[in-house]
Amino acid sequence: DQQVKQNSPSLSVQEGRISILNCDYTNSMFDYFLWYKKYPAEGPTFLISISSIKDKNEDGRFTVFLNKSAKHLSLHIVPSQPGDSAVYFCAASGYGGSQGNLIFGKGTKLSVKP
Amino acid sequence: EPEVTQTPSHQVTQMGQEVILRCVPISNHLYFYWYRQILGQKVEFLVSFYNNEISEKSEIFDDQFSVERPDGSNFTLKIRSTKLEDSAMYFCASSGQGIMNTEAFFGQGTRLTVV
Repeated sequence: DQQVKQNSPSLSVQEGRISILNCDYTNSMFDYFLWYKKYPAEGPTFLISISSIKDKNEDGRFTVFLNKSAKHLSLHIVPSQPGDSAVYFCAASGYGGSQGNLIFGKGTKLSVKP
Repeated sequence: EPEVTQTPSHQVTQMGQEVILRCVPISNHLYFYWYRQILGQKVEFLVSFYNNEISEKSEIFDDQFSVERPDGSNFTLKIRSTKLEDSAMYFCASSGQGIMNTEAFFGQGTRLTVV
């Protein structure tokens, strides 16, 4: 039972173009969403988050959009750089005050080609 | 820059043996977590720990698992009698506040191989 789904296992984009990573969730109790980036042999690194009271959060080249009615969020990276090549995990939390039960998607491997 | 450190980076153990995975969270953090990632699968929550007690645990975290903060700096995960299916990458994480309010910092992971 996948509560957080990243349906694209991989994505390849050209340097300088936009990368769009998608994530869908099924549990309407989720109220906080995070994106993590993971390089091989390293732990996940926090990238950006969004609370369910917002529909957009921006941090430099990274923007996360949340569509609550569609239970969908996306991460936009503009412009994409080769150093952005990594696995990106979408994660969600909620349950009325959970202290740490992040539910992760399976990840999308982004390759940015020079 | 402060970081979460985990030791060892790789542990091989025989089925049925006990293993202890060690983590040193960021020093002023208050919340501690263990996650695992079985090869090819998603990152899964195991347990969260706050104020010297478990605050939440998943169905995976059964009686063979335990956590401890023995000395105020280390945070350990013990697996009492390892099974083949415990083979995974285990990540420790810590955060200053609850994970919902601020980012969690992850360690580089311990790869556990049960043979």
